[in-house]
Amino acid sequence: DADVTQTPRNRITKTGKRIMLECSQTKGHDRMYWYRQDPGLGLRLIYYSFDVKDINKGEISDGYSVSRQAQAKFSLSLESAIPNQTALYFCATSDSDRYGYTFGSGTRLTVV
Amino acid sequence: QQQVKQSPQSLIVQKGGISIINCAYENTAFDYFPWYQQFPGKGPALLIAIRPDVSEKKEGRFTISFNKSAKQFSLHIMDSQPGDSATYFCAATLAISSGSARQLTFGSGTQLTVLP
Repeated sequence: DADVTQTPRNRITKTGKRIMLECSQTKGHDRMYWYRQDPGLGLRLIYYSFDVKDINKGEISDGYSVSRQAQAKFSLSLESAIPNQTALYFCATSDSDRYGYTFGSGTRLTVV
Repeated sequence: QQQVKQSPQSLIVQKGGISIINCAYENTAFDYFPWYQQFPGKGPALLIAIRPDVSEKKEGRFTISFNKSAKQFSLHIMDSQPGDSATYFCAATLAISSGSARQLTFGSGTQLTVLP
């Protein structure tokens, strides 16, 4: 099993719909992150969480919300999806004592 | 505002050649500079990293060169192989609270193709 699992892998949704992307990890890491990847822009941070009670906005949080249901679970929601939220979304984790991040395999989201 | 600028956007190299990807940064508070490698359908994976007090780090065929005064760093892939074909991201970390918390900022990525 993968260390960081994202579901679904692919999703097509309509404009205005609410959608949730889920992430679970078996690394035992405290820190979890949601990134968005767009061609030519790299990965940009949406939200991050250092523990269940700590949620922080990243560079591009508008239009998104998150929930840290447990140490191992961190979900990303699009309250009302719009076409420019079409992108590849990655969840990542890190250990508080190390600099390396572990990424999931991504969710490809298309908003039509 | 992109805090880490990466070039080129794409790179084609013959097998056995040297691949060079460059990055530049402005924020002198960055304190760690990793490179990530991403294959299609996968998330980025940590490849190699360097601290700003070191000018060069080598791991196998991969070398990071770091120029603190110029605020630039680069990835060199020696003897490039078709299996190295991937997207490479430079990144930089920044302390975001007291303790060991770090925020990772990525460059825009370089798609490397190594021809057989």
